[in-house]
Amino acid sequence: KAGVTQTPRYLIKTRGQQVTLSCSPISGHRSVSWYQQTPGQGLQFLFEYFSETQRNKGNFPGRFSGRQFSNSRSEMNVSTLELGDSALYLCASSPVYQNTEAFFGQGTRLTVV
Amino acid sequence: AQSVTQLDSQVPVFEEAPVELRCNYSSSVSVYLFWYVQYPNQGLQLLLKYLSGSTLVESINGFEAEFNKSQTSFHLRKPSVHISDTAEYFCAVSGRNNFNKFYFGSGTKLNVKP
Repeated sequence: KAGVTQTPRYLIKTRGQQVTLSCSPISGHRSVSWYQQTPGQGLQFLFEYFSETQRNKGNFPGRFSGRQFSNSRSEMNVSTLELGDSALYLCASSPVYQNTEAFFGQGTRLTVV
Repeated sequence: AQSVTQLDSQVPVFEEAPVELRCNYSSSVSVYLFWYVQYPNQGLQLLLKYLSGSTLVESINGFEAEFNKSQTSFHLRKPSVHISDTAEYFCAVSGRNNFNKFYFGSGTKLNVKP
């Protein structure tokens, strides 16, 4: 079974631009969640989707948004990029409705210059 | 909400020595507990988890963790570490009714020396 796939792996953007990151969950998984990892703040929850519905949202500004498609693939978008948005963005998929396990992708390393 | 505290940011240890990585959590509701490992430039891999039942849980590569409800702890132990265990370890907690939202600790870098 293929794991969680995140594309692209690396990305360099300029301040003020917007970016879209993609996540393909493990086949059959319907829950996808996103995390931001930085040296200063650690791993922080962004949002979680289940069957195309956002069920949970973390404390991030509205510039961070996401969506999930009918095939469970998910995208997250960051608009008006700031230097502080430079981070490793991790996607995780879960096989069940509840939080008994999360499988993580390798992440997308976003650098904002 | 939940929170996790990992008291040690770095733990140096010699190969074949025992190690304990500490994790304490805070929550007003029942929780699930997890340990994840992250190698450089990689995502997180699940090491072990406590959902219910026996408070001692084990991984396939020799790690174990014990859920202690009274002390709100979930410390990770290994009796003999290998060089290949060098990585960063994250403790995580999730409220049982909080869907797939995990709160992570700040991580502990385990550095195994020859």
